[in-house]
Amino acid sequence: AQKITQTQPGMFVQEKEAVTLDCTYDTSDQSYGLFWYKQPSSGEMIFLIYQGSYDEQNATEGRYSLNFQKARKSANLVISASQLGDSAMYFCAMREGRDGGFKTIFGAGTRLFVKA
Amino acid sequence: GAGVSQTPSNKVTEKGKYVELRCDPISGHTALYWYRQSLGQGPEFLIYFQGTGAADDSGLPNDRFFAVRPEGSVSTLKIQRTERGDSAVYLCASSLKGGYYEQYFGPGTRLTVT
Repeated sequence: AQKITQTQPGMFVQEKEAVTLDCTYDTSDQSYGLFWYKQPSSGEMIFLIYQGSYDEQNATEGRYSLNFQKARKSANLVISASQLGDSAMYFCAMREGRDGGFKTIFGAGTRLFVKA
Repeated sequence: GAGVSQTPSNKVTEKGKYVELRCDPISGHTALYWYRQSLGQGPEFLIYFQGTGAADDSGLPNDRFFAVRPEGSVSTLKIQRTERGDSAVYLCASSLKGGYYEQYFGPGTRLTVT
């Protein structure tokens, strides 16, 4: 079974609008961490935001927020006020275990296109 | 400060040859990770080092793949008898410690096996 599922291969958003990128995960651990990364066409992976399984509040980092719904096992990324520079691949990822384990499991990614 | 660096940025080799890919992590980072990213997919975990030792090498696909980190800093991923299916971008990341600490990624090495 896939651990991380990103069901949107591609998404379009108008500049200055908000967009939600979906991510669902599968784990039997009580302790885990969820991450979102951005990968522009240049190829580098850029960390965006982190949510711990025990965090009661949704994580926010500037224009990025993580809509964490633990019971539904979803960790959607919300980007507010989209900019042209947000066009990139976005990956949801998870680490499991009390100490974060060692593996980071990535989803297949969503390609975001921001239209002017 | 300097980020994670990887060399070479591109490597083209013939099927059956041996290759080494190098990763230079951020100074002071004790944790180092190798991933492989095939076209159109997310990165796939290969191996994790805590200091000099491989704490988890369960992602290495077979015994043709090996990685070392002899002094707890620079790491080398070694691939023997390369196959066309090994073609991918190999990413290295480091973090201050293991666990939930943020991972900083290098630019990757694009390996093409002809």
